[in-house]
Amino acid sequence: KQEVTQIPAALSVPEGENLVLNCSFTDSAIYNLQWFRQDPGKGLTSLLLIQSSQREQTSGRLNASLDKSSGRSTLYIAASQPGDSATYLCAVEGPGGGNKLTFGTGTQLKVEL
Amino acid sequence: DAGITQSPRHKVTETGTPVTLRCHQTENHRYMYWYRQDPGHGLRLIHYSYGVKDTDKGEVSDGYSVSRSKTEDFLLTLESATSSQTSVYFCAISALAGDEQYFGPGTRLTVL
Repeated sequence: KQEVTQIPAALSVPEGENLVLNCSFTDSAIYNLQWFRQDPGKGLTSLLLIQSSQREQTSGRLNASLDKSSGRSTLYIAASQPGDSATYLCAVEGPGGGNKLTFGTGTQLKVEL
Repeated sequence: DAGITQSPRHKVTETGTPVTLRCHQTENHRYMYWYRQDPGHGLRLIHYSYGVKDTDKGEVSDGYSVSRSKTEDFLLTLESATSSQTSVYFCAISALAGDEQYFGPGTRLTVL
């Protein structure tokens, strides 16, 4: 059974700092990995999707990398801002079909002024 | 934002009563999903649909049923609600297999 872990569970950084969030998964036979953010009391917002054949994806100040063989992904946030404060979730699809995502429990990020 | 709405947004009900949650999309996406989110467990897939009248079970399907009679609507039914089904329920959609999943705003369900 696929298991997804995100460490740390919570992180506090000063504004302007570059930071890295980690995600690890136990079964490397994945189809893709997706990063989301969730604001308190809200739904999930998709940030980046990395297909299993890709090594990284970039969107603005966000860069996500994927190392399938080691079962790891990182989300890099450049020049963090207070508006980046949220919970960040990673999810993997696979092994097996059916578009089923397995989620980590998230990293709660606080960017302080 | 993807056009996904969920109704109701909040519901309080009593143990043993039936409950139906609705997910409606305006994107004409083929795949639709129901997840529940609980502290310490993260999001877990309940059921999903890969087309009209085509559904399959997820990780935590016991006590839930689903129906999809139109592309735009995916219903989640709790036949006889229990306190363990108190949770926040999210609907998601995706266009194709392996595509990004887009989430609705969620329904907070409390079973007393």
